[in-house]
Amino acid sequence: AIQLTQSPSSLSASVGDRVTITCRASQGISSALAWYQQKPGKAPKLLIYDASSLESGVPSRFSGSGSGTDFTLTISSLQPEDFATYYCQQLDTFGGGTKVEIK
Amino acid sequence: EVQLVESGGGLVQPGGSLRLSCAASGFTFSDHYMDWVRQAPGKGLEWVGRTRNKANSYTTEYAASVKGRFTISRDDSKNSLYLQMNSLKTEDTAVYYCARDLGAFDIWGQGTMVTVSS
Repeated sequence: AIQLTQSPSSLSASVGDRVTITCRASQGISSALAWYQQKPGKAPKLLIYDASSLESGVPSRFSGSGSGTDFTLTISSLQPEDFATYYCQQLDTFGGGTKVEIK
Repeated sequence: EVQLVESGGGLVQPGGSLRLSCAASGFTFSDHYMDWVRQAPGKGLEWVGRTRNKANSYTTEYAASVKGRFTISRDDSKNSLYLQMNSLKTEDTAVYYCARDLGAFDIWGQGTMVTVSS
C-alpha cells in the first residue's frame, strides 16, 4: 500500500508568510494527489486536486505542484483564516497532517 | 445546495453494532462513488471504505482495519449511503464522515461521532 509522508508535522508562521508543505509518496502516483484544509471541529475542505488544480471557490493564494512521488502545497501569503491542519490524499491514503499555527 | 448529512452515531459497547446513514442532496447521487472516512479524537484522517456506482456494479472496498466487520451499502432511490458497523472495538471511536469521491473528496458531511466504550 502507498504511504504518504507529510513534512513538517507542524509549523509556526506569521500572517503574510509564504508557507510550503511537502507530501512524499512511497511510490509514484502520477498527479493523483489532493490537499485538504481542516479546522477544529469541522469537516475537511478540498483545496487542490490532481496535484495542481484549484478547487472552485478556494483563494488563489493556495497552489499545488509536483508529480510522481514529491508534492507541495504552497500558501503564498498566510492569512488569519489559514491557520488549520492540512492533509494530502491519494485514493485510500491520507498523509499524517501538517498543523499550521500562529507564530 | 449540494449537501451530505450523516446520522446514527452514538455510544455503543465493545462488540456491539451501529448503523450510520448519510443523506445526499443537490447532486445526482446515483452517478457517484461514495466513501466513509473517520477521524479518531486528536488524530488524522483514515479512509474506511468506498462504494462505487451502479455503472461499476456497486462494488465495495474496505480498509484492512475494518474489513469483515463493516459493510457499506447505498440506496440510490433514497439518495442515501450507509455504514453497518459490527463487532465494534474501542479503537473504532471516531468522527465518521461520508464524502463524495471524484478521486478527490470534494463534498463532505459534517460528521457523526461514534464512541465505543463500556
